[in-house]
Amino acid sequence: AQRVTQPEKLLSVFKGAPVELKCNYSYSGSPELFWYVQYSRQRLQLLLRHISRESIKGFTADLNKGETSFHLKKPFAQEEDSAMYYCALSGGTSGTYKYIFGTGTRLKVLA
Amino acid sequence: NAGVMQNPRHLVRRRGQEARLRCSPMKGHSHVYWYRQLPEEGLKFMVYLQKENIIDESGMPKERFSAEFPKEGPSILRIQQVVRGDSAAYFCASSPVVGTSFVEQYFGPGTRLTVT
Repeated sequence: AQRVTQPEKLLSVFKGAPVELKCNYSYSGSPELFWYVQYSRQRLQLLLRHISRESIKGFTADLNKGETSFHLKKPFAQEEDSAMYYCALSGGTSGTYKYIFGTGTRLKVLA
Repeated sequence: NAGVMQNPRHLVRRRGQEARLRCSPMKGHSHVYWYRQLPEEGLKFMVYLQKENIIDESGMPKERFSAEFPKEGPSILRIQQVVRGDSAAYFCASSPVVGTSFVEQYFGPGTRLTVT
């Protein structure tokens, strides 16, 4: 079965500290991996996808096929990074349109 | 472009009543997806619709749930005879096209359904 696991419900870090939000997945086929973010009182929005290999708002995520992981990282956290982060996959046997989401990690960046 | 609109934002129903959730996709989008988020869980795919067609309803519960996306008007997710277990946040997303490569889905703010 295809699944996305985010082991941490809550992650608290101090401003300026490095951040790593963990995501592991299981899949059949060749999925695409994404990170979505939901800021307070805002809607879910795409942060980045593994294929684009870009850095958005200082965040990067590397797909590690050997470990089936797609951890989200930022070297220096900012208070405005506080939000709910969801790892998701699509593709494989589920099709390109069917997202499978993890349970989310709430990131709190403390002043 | 106002983005994906969902209404109502909050809906309270008593057990046995019907719930109707509405989703207006972004302008120019003809593909709509519904997801459900139960407490403490991630969003789960329910159904994918194009105008007047259900493409994939593999995530829909077999009974009491139905969805439509008529030629005119919003997409509707309908839950008949609601039970407490239906209490959840229901998210709608839309996209312009779907193919073999990635197409971003744009999410609405969600409807929080509470069954009392």
